[in-house]
Amino acid sequence: QKEVEQDPGPLSVPEGAIVSLNCTYSNSAFQYFMWYRQYSRKGPELLMYTYSSGNKEDGRFTAQVDKSSKYISLFIRDSQPSDSATYLCAGGKEAGNNRKLIWGLGTSLAVNP
Amino acid sequence: DTAVSQTPKYLVTQMGNDKSIKCEQNLGHDTMYWYKQDSKKFLKIMFSYNNKELIINETVPNRFSPKSPDKAHLNLHINSLELGDSAVYFCASSPGVAGYQETQYFGPGTRLLVL
Repeated sequence: QKEVEQDPGPLSVPEGAIVSLNCTYSNSAFQYFMWYRQYSRKGPELLMYTYSSGNKEDGRFTAQVDKSSKYISLFIRDSQPSDSATYLCAGGKEAGNNRKLIWGLGTSLAVNP
Repeated sequence: DTAVSQTPKYLVTQMGNDKSIKCEQNLGHDTMYWYKQDSKKFLKIMFSYNNKELIINETVPNRFSPKSPDKAHLNLHINSLELGDSAVYFCASSPGVAGYQETQYFGPGTRLLVL
């Protein structure tokens, strides 16, 4: 079992829809979680991160972590065609020099005008 | 103004050749990484360096050798290229030991195709 599991999609939604992107993880040692967005032929860029259970909101984006069920979500409200990209979740573990991110496979999202 | 840059952007080469990819960051970060992203988009860490010192060395064939001449540069040399090495290679950097969670900043990627 991969440490971070993510449905690769593709997910196709109409403009204005609420999008829910999800990951599950198996490693209880993860101490923080990140969502990155990757446009086609570009490098990933950070969208949001969370340390613990609960919600974190930034504009149209909400990240949610449920440590009891090992489930992380990213919600996009009022989705726009410019949100069309691959969304990667990642779990982070270990402090200091040995820190690294374990990545999900990414979910491909298409928002149709 | 590019924060993390990589050269070349595209690399097409024959099996058995040796090639290098270069990475530079102008963010003043202490930590740099090499990732491999395969055709299924899976992003896998290969190496990381902190202030020129190798700190993460994942299970990678020893045909891959990273080199960090200074903390702003991390190069990747690949010997005896194989078909399975075809992928997109991303360089990334992060601030270093300050703080617990660290945002990684990625370069644009180098698309390697081995024929």
